[in-house]
Amino acid sequence: AQSVSQHNHHVILSEAASLELGCNYSYGGTVNLFWYVQYPGQHLQLLLKYFSGDPLVKGIKGFEAEFIKSKFSFNLRKPSVQWSDTAEYFCAVSLIGGSQGNLIFGKGTKLSVKP
Amino acid sequence: GAVVSQHPSWVICKSGTSVKIECRSLDFQATTMFWYRQFPKQSLMLMATSNEGSKATYEQGVEKDKFLINHASLTLSTLTVTSAHPEDSSFYICSARSSSREQFFGPGTRLTVL
Repeated sequence: AQSVSQHNHHVILSEAASLELGCNYSYGGTVNLFWYVQYPGQHLQLLLKYFSGDPLVKGIKGFEAEFIKSKFSFNLRKPSVQWSDTAEYFCAVSLIGGSQGNLIFGKGTKLSVKP
Repeated sequence: GAVVSQHPSWVICKSGTSVKIECRSLDFQATTMFWYRQFPKQSLMLMATSNEGSKATYEQGVEKDKFLINHASLTLSTLTVTSAHPEDSSFYICSARSSSREQFFGPGTRLTVL
């Protein structure tokens, strides 16, 4: 079965530190890739997405992610985190040709940024 | 961005009662809406896909008679948890897919069954 793995359950960083959250998926076909963020008490919001083209995708709030097809990875990065980035981050995959484009989510990574 | 609302945001009910959760796309039409369930410290698990005007498609292991889904219009889908039990306590999240195929998520509904 297709799955999405996020390697870190909880990441703690100080402000201005660089961030990289890992995401790997298991599916041999074509995929769309997403990163969602859930701030405390709020709903899921789309950070960025990859459908095709340039594998380096830039999203909102200074986040970017790189799709490496050979590694089945879509890691999220930010050069310098801020306290306001404290949230839970979910990687998700949508299978092209899959049933109605359902999203398969990873378990999430909680990011805590210390001021 | 597009806005999706859910009502209620939290509900407490007695075991054996039924609870209805509404999901609305406020500023766009959504032919497809999705219902997810999220357990503490776990990922969102897709329960069912709701299509306007047709029967919902349930994921394996989800009881369609227990989780009734109705997608009566292009802006409203409802999930009814019938004869709720404590093990149904969870966080239920809906999403609505726009014409650009992007999914927008609601804020979720916390269900507690006593």
